[in-house]
Amino acid sequence: KQEVTQIPAALSVPEGENLVLNCSFTDSAIYNLQWFRQDPGKGLTSLLLIQSSQREQTSGRLNASLDKSSGRSTLYIAASQPGDSATYLCAVTGGYKLSFGAGTTVTVRA
Amino acid sequence: NAGVMQNPRHLVRRRGQEARLRCSPMKGHSHVYWYRQLPEEGLKFMVYLQKENIIDESGMPKERFSAEFPKEGPSILRIQQVVRGDSAAYFCASSPPDAGTGGLGELFFGEGSRLTVL
Repeated sequence: KQEVTQIPAALSVPEGENLVLNCSFTDSAIYNLQWFRQDPGKGLTSLLLIQSSQREQTSGRLNASLDKSSGRSTLYIAASQPGDSATYLCAVTGGYKLSFGAGTTVTVRA
Repeated sequence: NAGVMQNPRHLVRRRGQEARLRCSPMKGHSHVYWYRQLPEEGLKFMVYLQKENIIDESGMPKERFSAEFPKEGPSILRIQQVVRGDSAAYFCASSPPDAGTGGLGELFFGEGSRLTVL
């Protein structure tokens, strides 16, 4: 059974600082890994999708890496802004099911 | 291109009543997934459907819960005789047909339906 862990559970940083969010998973036989953002009371917004054959994906200030062999992914958010405050979820796919971590709640202080 | 549409966004039911949650996938998407997010917990897979077929319902409670995705119309998640423990956010997601990479492609989620059982 796939277990996904996200560390830390919560993070508070001043505006402008870079964010580093970690995700680990127990079963390396994955198809892809997806990072989502969830705002309070809202749905999930897909941020980045990394296929199992890829090592990283970038979109604007976001960069996500994937090391399948060690079961780890890291999401980097450069030059954080108050609008980046949200919960960030990591999910891995083994077939068609997503296994989610519990998320990292980020607060960026102005 | 409209995203995944879920309704109602908020639903209040008394214990013993029925709850029906609807989900319209993105245009061109033929796969629908339902996930449940309990307070202070992560999202858990419930069921995976394609048109007129339940592919995997291993995450659904054996009793009171059912799901369908008819040929026409939205996917429906139905909860009969609701109990307080059913209070949660229920998210629907859709994806396009498998592009050959194995497994599903990028998953797009709706805004969720938040069920409160009094």
